[in-house]
Amino acid sequence: AQRVTQPEKLLSVFKGAPVELKCNYSYSGSPELFWYVQYSRQRLQLLLRHISRESIKGFTADLNKGETSFHLKKPFAQEEDSAMYYCALSEDGNKLVFGAGTILRVKS
Amino acid sequence: EAGVAQSPRYKIIEKRQSVAFWCNPISGHATLYWYQQILGQGPKLLIQFQNNGVVDDSQLPKDRFSAERLKGVDSTLKIQPAKLEDSAVYLCASSLVPRNTIYFGEGSWLTVV
Repeated sequence: AQRVTQPEKLLSVFKGAPVELKCNYSYSGSPELFWYVQYSRQRLQLLLRHISRESIKGFTADLNKGETSFHLKKPFAQEEDSAMYYCALSEDGNKLVFGAGTILRVKS
Repeated sequence: EAGVAQSPRYKIIEKRQSVAFWCNPISGHATLYWYQQILGQGPKLLIQFQNNGVVDDSQLPKDRFSAERLKGVDSTLKIQPAKLEDSAVYLCASSLVPRNTIYFGEGSWLTVV
């Protein structure tokens, strides 16, 4: 069965510090991996997907099939990055299986 | 472009009562999803429609939950009778076609007391 694990409920960093939000998954095939973000009082929205191999708002994520991980990284955190981040997996780019989410708090 | 619209935003009901949530997807989006998000958890797919047909309802508790999308546009999710454990945010989402970017609504918050 598909499963997405985000081991940290809360990650607190100072502004300007590097950020790494961890995501591990279990799936036997070749999944598509996504990061979704929910800012305060806003709707859930797509941040990035691994097949795009792009950087959004300074965030990047690399799919590591050997370690079954898809960690989200940013070299220098900004206060506006404070939000809830969800890692999600799809076997067909369609139905999403979400992790429990990690709250990122960037302190000034 | 207008986003996914949902109503009501908030609802409080007693257990064993019924409730219905409405969703209007982004214009032209053929695929519509209903997700359930319990506090402290990520969203879980309840049902997926492609136009007015059901693609996946494997995680929908069919003894109490039902959903329809009769004309292939807006959709209704109903719970009858509600249980305490149904307290959650019900998220509607849509995409132009399968495998395309999924856009979420603001959610309907349900509290069952």
